[in-house]
Amino acid sequence: GDSVTQMEGPVTLSEEAFLTINCTYTATGYPSLFWYVQYPGEGLQLLLKATKADDKGSNKGFEATYRKETTSFHLEKGSVQVSDSAVYFCALSFPNQAGTALIFGKGTTLSVSS
Amino acid sequence: GAGVSQSPRYKVAKRGQDVALRCDPISGHVSLFWYQQALGQGPEFLTYFQNEAQLDKSGLPSDRFFAERPEGSVSTLKIQRTQQEDSAVYLCASSLAGQGSNQPQHFGDGTRLSIL
Repeated sequence: GDSVTQMEGPVTLSEEAFLTINCTYTATGYPSLFWYVQYPGEGLQLLLKATKADDKGSNKGFEATYRKETTSFHLEKGSVQVSDSAVYFCALSFPNQAGTALIFGKGTTLSVSS
Repeated sequence: GAGVSQSPRYKVAKRGQDVALRCDPISGHVSLFWYQQALGQGPEFLTYFQNEAQLDKSGLPSDRFFAERPEGSVSTLKIQRTQQEDSAVYLCASSLAGQGSNQPQHFGDGTRLSIL
């Protein structure tokens, strides 16, 4: 079935370091891809999305490119801040199908220290 | 604010008790989803409503789980005869449009359910 696999955490970085969180997916068809972020004590928030191959989603300095050939959607940021500490979830859905429920990865915890 | 509101934030129940979790979606949002998030895992789909119609309940883990949205707005997730494995965070999400839409889902803060 359709699934999302993301790198296990925790990822621990110093402020201003470069971040990559890997995400790959298995899907029959052409899903939309998402990154959600969950800050401590808060609900899930959409960080960015891409709806077709080669699209790049970006927000708050984070970027991810929809790579159909490698079925990947890796999250990157050039210079992380302490405030980026959170749990990051990669997800997919099929917006042209009923319900468009999201399928999530297990999440990757990012901890940034000053 | 005008976000998705869930209540209670925390619920502790004894095994065997029934619980009811409430979701108040963003006003005017057609679609409503329930997800279950076990500790250290990503959210997993439970059920989906388009207005008052429950179009997909394939993710409900057993017949002890029941959800309703009678007027197409507020939704309630009910769990009967709770078991310890029901302990999780239950997330509600809503989106503006229905089937065939690419509208994002907006999540509530969740209800953390602990079964003793």
